[in-house]
Amino acid sequence: QVQLVQSGAEVKKPGTSVKVSCQASGYSFTGFYIHWVRQAPGQGLEWMGWINPDSGGTNFPPKFQGRVTMTRDTSSSTAYMELSRLEFDDTAVFYCAREHSTGFDFWGQGTLITVSP
Amino acid sequence: DTVMTQSPDSLAVSLGERATINCKSSQSVLYSFNNKNYLAWYQQKPGQSPKLLIYWASTRESGVPDRFSGSGSGTDFTLTISNLEAEDVAVYYCQQHYSTPPTFGQGTKVEIK
Repeated sequence: QVQLVQSGAEVKKPGTSVKVSCQASGYSFTGFYIHWVRQAPGQGLEWMGWINPDSGGTNFPPKFQGRVTMTRDTSSSTAYMELSRLEFDDTAVFYCAREHSTGFDFWGQGTLITVSP
Repeated sequence: DTVMTQSPDSLAVSLGERATINCKSSQSVLYSFNNKNYLAWYQQKPGQSPKLLIYWASTRESGVPDRFSGSGSGTDFTLTISNLEAEDVAVYYCQQHYSTPPTFGQGTKVEIK
């Protein structure tokens, strides 16, 4: 069965970076885009960008350009999202999700990143 | 960017009654080539990841109970939960994936009255 398993929660200091992983299984990793979505505490869903696991191509909204990097390792079917220059309001749960023609059909369990002094 | 606006922000419904959530997009999400609306509905229960419920505006994802239904086309959409059950307490989001960036509504919280 399709699964996306993310790395564990982290506490980071302002100004540092965090790298979250998302390991896919149960399907052809290079066949589907992976998206990253952020959810601040008590808030809604915010799209952060996608990576094409086949080509490595990426797309980010202007808000995150220059601060987010998305990469992948096809040998381990893992996608990565790195967010730099962390600020207090980057505290959130970060999700990876698989894109299908029908929407985001499978989601990771989420990774809580807490930015704290 | 396409703005998705849901209404209401929250609603309380008695068990066994109907819950109706509306979603309006600032631009049409109907792809004329295949006549499909690129509009999805997600359910997020407390402490869980979002789950795809409805896609192409009105098609239930596999395993989703038939008390969940979606309707609408173009810019106006509705998610209906008939015969509300306790396990349906959640936040529901609409999303358009017709254009980049994909955008979500702000969410509608469904509670038991």
